This record gives sequence, C-alpha cells and structure tokens, in this order.
Amino acid sequence: DAGVIQSPRHEVTEMGQEVTLRCKPISGHDYLFWYRQTMMRGLELLIYFNNNVPIDDSGMPEDRFSAKMPNASFSTLKIQPSEPRDSAVYFCASSLIRGRSYTFGSGTRLTVV
Amino acid sequence: DQQVKQNSPSLSVQEGRISILNCDYTNSMFDYFLWYKKYPAEGPTFLISISSIKDKNEDGRFTVFLNKSAKHLSLHIVPSQPGDSAVYFCAAGGATNKLIFGTGTLLAVQP
Repeated sequence: DAGVIQSPRHEVTEMGQEVTLRCKPISGHDYLFWYRQTMMRGLELLIYFNNNVPIDDSGMPEDRFSAKMPNASFSTLKIQPSEPRDSAVYFCASSLIRGRSYTFGSGTRLTVV
Repeated sequence: DQQVKQNSPSLSVQEGRISILNCDYTNSMFDYFLWYKKYPAEGPTFLISISSIKDKNEDGRFTVFLNKSAKHLSLHIVPSQPGDSAVYFCAAGGATNKLIFGTGTLLAVQP
C-alpha cells in the first residue's frame, strides 16, 4: 500500500483565494482525520470522518473551512477565502475501525501571502 | 485549552546517553497514550503506545512510562542515536477514536 497520499505537497496562494487540499486514505481504513500543525498549537485536530460521515468538526476554526468525504478513498479540505493566518502544514491521517495508531500523510505546506 | 502538554520545546542530548521526553495531560478520561516521531517534510509516524492499565511499555531502545495519579507520561530513549533527532509528539485518546496531540519536543542528539 502506498500509504496516505496528500496533494499538493506545497501550495502558495494569495489572500482571498480558494484553496483545496486533497487526501487519499489507506484502503480499508474507516477513519479519516484532518490535522493542522503550527508552532504554537502543535497538531490540532480539525475534523474527522467515520465511514465517510463527519463525526466531529469542533476543531474547524471558522466557516471559511469546510471538509468533505464523498467516498471511502477521497477527502478534501477547502479554505475559502484564505487568509495569511491559515499558513501551516495540513496533515491527513487514517486508521482502522477502533484502531489507535494513525497513519499520516506527508502533509501539505500552505502559505497564504 | 491544551489537554495534552509538552512543556519542553526542545532537548539536546549526547549520543549514547539517555533522552527523556515528558508529557502531561489534564483529562482523566484518556485511556490510551501514544508517542509519534516526525522528521522534517514528513508526516508523523507511530513510535510506541501504552494503555492506562499499564505503567510501562518497552520496545527496544524506547520505553514509555505512565503515572496516572500525576497525569504524566514520559518517553525514554536509551541509548540515544543521531538518527533519533526529530520532533516527538505525545498523544492521548479515550472512548472516541480521536487523538489529542501535544505541541511537540524537538530532540537533537549530538554525535
């Protein structure tokens, strides 16, 4: 298995633009998580899905952020409009049902200028 | 409110010596704890875990200790190697499948 695949690896965009981050989880994993890494807050959980259904989105910072999982092999995290304070590394991770160990993707480094 | 705290942003250790990374948590409902290791430009990778019914778990050079009364866990690396230089994240989980991570500690092992 190729692991959790995220794209793009790097994204530089201008303030106000829409940004879409993509994730392909490991086949067979029932849980998918979106995290954001910053120096101040470490790894913050934004949202997670179970069997493609959003379970907890309490970490989504604002209405500008949205996430979807249209099928078991694909998820997106969208920021519209983007702001400089959204600059961070965004990670996607997946795990087996009732599993405790996540597998992370390599992340997307987002820079909003 | 940080439920999982790593109060040391960085740690420097000589090769061959012991590295001790610390983590504190506030939520007594957590029943499972993990350590992840992260190299630059890569995602975090699972290192070792411990259930709340245990107070120690060992895997080769890595040992995790859990002190439930103090809500504290630590990761010991013995002996430390230059390849251990990375950011280490502590994480905690409970009844849900949601893991709460700390802010990370950057370990530098000097040759």
